[in-house]
Amino acid sequence: EVQLVESGGGLVQPGGSLRLSCAASGFTFSSYAMHWVRQAPGKGLEYVSAISSNGGSTYYANSVKGRFTISRDNSKNTLYLQMGSLRAEDMAVYYCARDPGIAVAGRGYFDYWGQGTLVTVSS
Amino acid sequence: EIVMTQSPATLSVSPGERATLSCRASQSVSSNLAWYQQKPGQAPRLLIYGASTRATGIPARFSGSGSGTEFTLTISSLQSEDFAVYYCQQYNNWPPAGTFGGGTKVEIK
Repeated sequence: EVQLVESGGGLVQPGGSLRLSCAASGFTFSSYAMHWVRQAPGKGLEYVSAISSNGGSTYYANSVKGRFTISRDNSKNTLYLQMGSLRAEDMAVYYCARDPGIAVAGRGYFDYWGQGTLVTVSS
Repeated sequence: EIVMTQSPATLSVSPGERATLSCRASQSVSSNLAWYQQKPGQAPRLLIYGASTRATGIPARFSGSGSGTEFTLTISSLQSEDFAVYYCQQYNNWPPAGTFGGGTKVEIK
């Protein structure tokens, strides 16, 4: 059974940093591109970032480019999102999601999602 | 950036009735479109990809159609568990980006 479990969310002050993790199990993690998608309270879904299966390529939404860094450790079956210079508008539930595509960069949609971790940005 | 527009924002439907949800792209996305269902407090679930292919385990009452800029998700006979928010997402210009529509809430009439 595919499982994605996010952790690392919490309360952080504006301008602060936080690192999210996503532990994957039930599939060959190193074969799949992975994504982060977020959802502000009461709002819709917003694409955040992605990383290719081998970690060689990364992609970011313009809203987070230069502030967030996605990475993965295929030996630990874990995906990360390092978030810096956090703003009020970054407050959201952050989901990690698997890309079903067999290409290194994936296909760009998401077949399995974690339950999410809440990031609160407030002073 | 490709903008995805969903309509209506809210759809009131009685159980057993048919629901038709629309998604429009600001430019052609070919058939590179997915639909997701999200219930309160839960993560989204993939329903449809490639505009019309049901994901694993998705009941046949869910169907997707369309290509280019106009897409439709149809739920043939609404069950109680289908009341949720539905999102479309294009992935035609992947990488580097895929964009979501604003969602349609399907509520009980």
